[in-house]
Amino acid sequence: AQKITQTQPGMFVQEKEAVTLDCTYDTSDPSYGLFWYKQPSSGEMIFLIYQGSYDQQNATEGRYSLNFQKARKSANLVISASQLGDSAMYFCAMREGQTGANNLFFGTGTRLTVIP
Amino acid sequence: DSGVTQTPKHLITATGQRVTLRCSPRSGDLSVYWYQQSLDQGLQFLIQYYNGEERAKGNILERFSAQQFPDLHSELNLSSLELGDSALYFCASSFTEGANEKLFFGSGTQLSVL
Repeated sequence: AQKITQTQPGMFVQEKEAVTLDCTYDTSDPSYGLFWYKQPSSGEMIFLIYQGSYDQQNATEGRYSLNFQKARKSANLVISASQLGDSAMYFCAMREGQTGANNLFFGTGTRLTVIP
Repeated sequence: DSGVTQTPKHLITATGQRVTLRCSPRSGDLSVYWYQQSLDQGLQFLIQYYNGEERAKGNILERFSAQQFPDLHSELNLSSLELGDSALYFCASSFTEGANEKLFFGSGTQLSVL
């Protein structure tokens, strides 16, 4: 089974609007971390936001927030007030605390295009 | 800038050759990870080192090897290269190994095998 599933290969959003990128995960490890990374066309992987499995509140980093629904095993990324520079690939990833702390599992990514 | 440095940025070589990719982790980070990103396989974990010791192996071919040196920089060696080895190779680092440790990635080395 896939540990990280991103069901949206591509998304479009109007500039200044908000957009939600979906991510579901699969683990039986009670301790895990969820991450979102951005990969612009230049290729580098940029860390955006982190959510721990024991965190009570949803993580926020500037215009990025993570909608963490533990029972549904979802960790959707919300980008508010989209900017043209947000156009990129976005990867959801998970790191398991007890059974796989050495590895970060990535989803297949969602390509976001911001329309002026 | 993540603080992780990878060299070279681009590498073009021929089948059967051997190359070495270099990674300098963020200052203070003890753990180094290597990932391969290709169009058909996505982001695949290759291998991890922590403070000089190999800690975990992923989908790393026997033709590939890596090491982490006392100054914590790491090298990924790819030998007997095949066309299918063409990919973007990332190095990432973190301070320790816990689930909450964020991995910071370098800009990658784009390898083209012709």
